[in-house]
Amino acid sequence: NAGVTQTPKFQVLKTGQSMTLQCAQDMNHNSMYWYRQDPGMGLRLIYYSASEGTTDKGEVPNGYNVSRLNKREFSLRLESAAPSQTSVYFCASTSGSSSGANVLTFGAGSRLTVL
Amino acid sequence: GNSVTQMEGPVTLSEEAFLTINCTYTATGYPSLFWYVQYPGEGLQLLLKATKADDKGSNKGFEATYRKETTSFHLEKGSVQVSDSAVYFCALSVVGGSQGNLIFGKGTKLSVKP
Repeated sequence: NAGVTQTPKFQVLKTGQSMTLQCAQDMNHNSMYWYRQDPGMGLRLIYYSASEGTTDKGEVPNGYNVSRLNKREFSLRLESAAPSQTSVYFCASTSGSSSGANVLTFGAGSRLTVL
Repeated sequence: GNSVTQMEGPVTLSEEAFLTINCTYTATGYPSLFWYVQYPGEGLQLLLKATKADDKGSNKGFEATYRKETTSFHLEKGSVQVSDSAVYFCALSVVGGSQGNLIFGKGTKLSVKP
């Protein structure tokens, strides 16, 4: 099983350029998430989608947009990249049950550098 | 609000040493607690979890006990191996919580030397 697949794995952008990070899961999960990971900061939630057709802001949404294209796919877009967006980005998904004991499955990450 | 605090690293141990990584939490309601592990160059993966007070999660020789009275979920392993070198994240999940329902600590990097 592929699990959660992210593309691209690496990307270098210049300030002001735009790009989209793609994420797809094949586990029939309802909920999907985008996190960024920075040294000493742990993981910070950018946006999430609790179910198909819904998206909500997380802790650090500024400068990003998302699209839940269908149940499988959840993309993250940087409209005008800034050096502060240099980070490793992780997509994750979970079944999204109401129990609270949701286990996240993570992708391998996308390393983005903005010059 | 809900939060997770874990000990700062890096932690460096010799092979076969005892490991403890401290984690405490603040939460409204009754959270589920998790430890995730991130090996170099990879995404996070679940190591263990506990869903109610006094539960013990265990996996791959690691253990953590959900202590409601001390709001803690410390990770322990009796004898670490070089292959345990990774970053460990404590996390909590609250039913109906916002922020995607899962809150992470900042991570503790463990290096095990042969």
